[in-house]
Formats: sequence, structure tokens, C-alpha cells
Amino acid sequence: QVQLVQSGAEVKKPGASVKVSCKASGYTFSNNGITWVRQAPGQGLEWMGWINGYNGDTNYAQKLQGRVTLTTDTSTSTAYLEVRSLRSDDTAFYYCARDQFGGGHNARFDPWGQGTLVTVSS
Amino acid sequence: DIQMTQSPSSLSASVGDRVTISCRASQTISSSLNWYQQRPGKAPKLLIYVASSLQGGVPSRFSGSGSGTDFTLTISSLQAEDFATYYCQQSYSNPRTFGQGTKVEIK
Repeated sequence: QVQLVQSGAEVKKPGASVKVSCKASGYTFSNNGITWVRQAPGQGLEWMGWINGYNGDTNYAQKLQGRVTLTTDTSTSTAYLEVRSLRSDDTAFYYCARDQFGGGHNARFDPWGQGTLVTVSS
Repeated sequence: DIQMTQSPSSLSASVGDRVTISCRASQTISSSLNWYQQRPGKAPKLLIYVASSLQGGVPSRFSGSGSGTDFTLTISSLQAEDFATYYCQQSYSNPRTFGQGTKVEIK
């Protein structure tokens, strides 16, 4: 079955960087994109960006542009999210999701990874 | 950015009740609207895509409707496992945006 498995929880100090992985299985990785969404504790969902699994094209949320980089390794069907210059308000669960028809009006996110908690604290 | 506004923010209902959640977009988004369910401590799960299409494996008591700026998620007969938070999300343009969520609680 289609599955996304994310890397484990991280604790980082302010100013540091974090890299979260998302390994896909059960489908052809290059046929779909990957979207990243984060959720601060007790808060709603925030779209961070999207990467095309075929050619690596990306689209980022403007507020995160410059601090976030999305990449993929097609040889291992793995997507990566890197966030730099971490601040306390980056503390959140970070989710990856398969993005069917990414970039188009019919895009939807399914399934989702289990989430990775990133805690930023001094 | 397109703003998505859900109402109500929370509601209390009993098992067997019919529940309706509304989602309004700040500009027209055609039918580019998805609904997700998030149970406590779990990742979101896709329920409805393109406003009214039921995702595979999702019970038929869930339905979606609407187009343009106004959309509705309906649960025809609430079950115990449906107590969760529901989010709408638009895919009409970037950045993709979510509603603030509607928490469905047990009465």
C-alpha cells in the first residue's frame, strides 16, 4: 500500500538547522509530488511547499522562502525538508504528503506521513 | 493568498446526529476544495477531493458539496470514530491554504 515514513523527532537550538526525511513506498515516486505541511502544537495546518518528484521543481510558501529547502532522492524514493535558522515558533509537527496532481487545480494530499516533531529550545 | 474560513470553529453533537461544516473561500476557487479529518495525535486523512468526490475507503456517510466560494462537508449520521477536527483546503492557487479547522466534540 502507499505509505510515507518520516524520520524521528528532533530537538534543536535556536539558529540551528534541521533536515527531516520522508521515505515513500507503494507507488512510483517520480509520478507524484510531495507536499510539506506543519502544525504548531494545538494549532492548524500550514502549507510549507511542494516538490515535483519527477524534475525537482519546487514552490515555497513566501513566509518561509529563503529558510526552507525541499529536495528529493529518486534512487531511494525519499523527500527531504531542511529548515535553517530555526526559531522557537518553528516548533511543530512536520508532515509530508503525496501530492497528486501537484501544481494543478485538482491537487490533493494523500496519504500523509506520521509526522515528525521538531522542538526548538535553548 | 486565498483565505479559507470555516464555521463553526467547534460543535458538540451526539452519535447519530447529522453534522454540517461550512467553508468559505475569499475568492472563487471553482471546485478545487478538499476536506481532511484529523484525529487527536494522528496525521490528517483525506476525506473528500474536488469538492464532492469521496476518497476511496471513506465511509459514504461523508459527503461534500459546493463550488465557487461556498462549500459544505456533511456527516449524515455521526459515529463515535468521527469525533475529530476537520479542515478544508484549497488547491486553486499557490500557496495552498487551509481553513482554521472545525472540532467536532461529543455532546
